[in-house]
Amino acid sequence: GQQVMQIPQYQHVQEGEDFTTYCNSSTTLSNIQWYKQRPGGHPVFLIQLVKSGEVKKQKRLTFQFGEAKKNSSLHITATQTTDVGTYFCAGGGGYNKLIFGAGTRLAVHP
Amino acid sequence: DTGVSQNPRHKITKRGQNVTFRCDPISEHNRLYWYRQTLGQGPEFLTYFQNEAQLEKSRLLSDRFSAERPKGSFSTLEIQRTEQGDSAMYLCASSSFGRGETQYFGPGTRLLVL
Repeated sequence: GQQVMQIPQYQHVQEGEDFTTYCNSSTTLSNIQWYKQRPGGHPVFLIQLVKSGEVKKQKRLTFQFGEAKKNSSLHITATQTTDVGTYFCAGGGGYNKLIFGAGTRLAVHP
Repeated sequence: DTGVSQNPRHKITKRGQNVTFRCDPISEHNRLYWYRQTLGQGPEFLTYFQNEAQLEKSRLLSDRFSAERPKGSFSTLEIQRTEQGDSAMYLCASSSFGRGETQYFGPGTRLLVL
């Protein structure tokens, strides 16, 4: 079945450093979505990418969708303590159900 | 606040008991999803409804699990004869019909089976 893999599993950074998480799918995706989950919270939608090679920005966050639509990345510039949480990518898997990666847990040290 | 609500938020039960969870989606959303999330993992798809029709079920959904959405609005997820391995966060999400529409998640029901 379709699998979505995410690396790294954990990332510890100093406040102000950059952070990147990578997502790879075993199959071509129709779209990819990114979610953030704070400790004790539920996944909150960040963005959706649909087009091959698409790049979208949200303030300090930059999202990319690979040309082959099998990989994606999320880059955060100059992390802040409010960026703490787990970032999940999720690929569209038919009927729009989402196949989630295991997530990257980000810790930001002040 | 995403507008999806789930009840109860927490449930502790003894092994072998039945439990039922409720999800109220965003009112205009016709698609509803159930996911399960265990510690350190991403949510795993369980089942999906479009209006009242259950269109897809994961192999994770054993015979002990049943989900309904009788009038195409709220949904219930029942687990019969709970096992310790059922302990997890059960998340509900809803969306509107359309290719690649955003799924909005509820706060989840955290189940602990003793």
